[in-house]
Amino acid sequence: AQKITQTQPGMFVQEKEAVTLDCTYDTSDPSYGLFWYKQPSSGEMIFLIYQGSYDQQNATEGRYSLNFQKARKSANLVISASQLGDSAMYFCAMREGGSGANSKLTFGKGITLSVRP
Amino acid sequence: DTGVSQDPRHKITKRGQNVTFRCDPISEHNRLYWYRQTLGQGPEFLTYFQNEAQLEKSRLLSDRFSAERPKGSFSTLEIQRTEQGDSAMYLCASSPGGSIGSTGELFFGEGSRLTVL
Repeated sequence: AQKITQTQPGMFVQEKEAVTLDCTYDTSDPSYGLFWYKQPSSGEMIFLIYQGSYDQQNATEGRYSLNFQKARKSANLVISASQLGDSAMYFCAMREGGSGANSKLTFGKGITLSVRP
Repeated sequence: DTGVSQDPRHKITKRGQNVTFRCDPISEHNRLYWYRQTLGQGPEFLTYFQNEAQLEKSRLLSDRFSAERPKGSFSTLEIQRTEQGDSAMYLCASSPGGSIGSTGELFFGEGSRLTVL
């Protein structure tokens, strides 16, 4: 079974509106971390936000927030007030085990987001 | 700039030739990762070092691939007898690993794009 599933086709959002990018995950490890990365056309992977499995509150970083629903094993990324520069590929990733363990990340296939002016 | 650097950024080679990529991680990071990313897909884990020890290798890493991190600083990834299927972006990442408060976030370089003709 895939550990990270991102099934949305290319997403479109109007500038200044909010958008949700979906991610579901699969693990039997009680300790894990979830990450979102952005990859613009230039290719670099940019870290956006992190959620630990034991974190009680949803993570937020500026315009990014993570809607963490542990029972559903989902970790959706919400981008508020979209900007043209948000157009990129977005990847959800998971680390199994605590941060002291091997922090190899397993990535999903990604979602393409296009922001319309 | 003290981020992760990779060299070369682009490599075009003929099938059957050997190629080598270099990665210089963030200096205080003891963990180093290699990933491969093909067009439209998420990064796939290849191998991981903690200091100079190679601790994990993916099944994707065939015997034509070898990675080293001889002094626990920079790393090289060599592909022997390249095949057209090796065409991909090769991403290097590093992390401080295991430190208290660390999320396990990976810091990525800009990648080395390989084209095998």
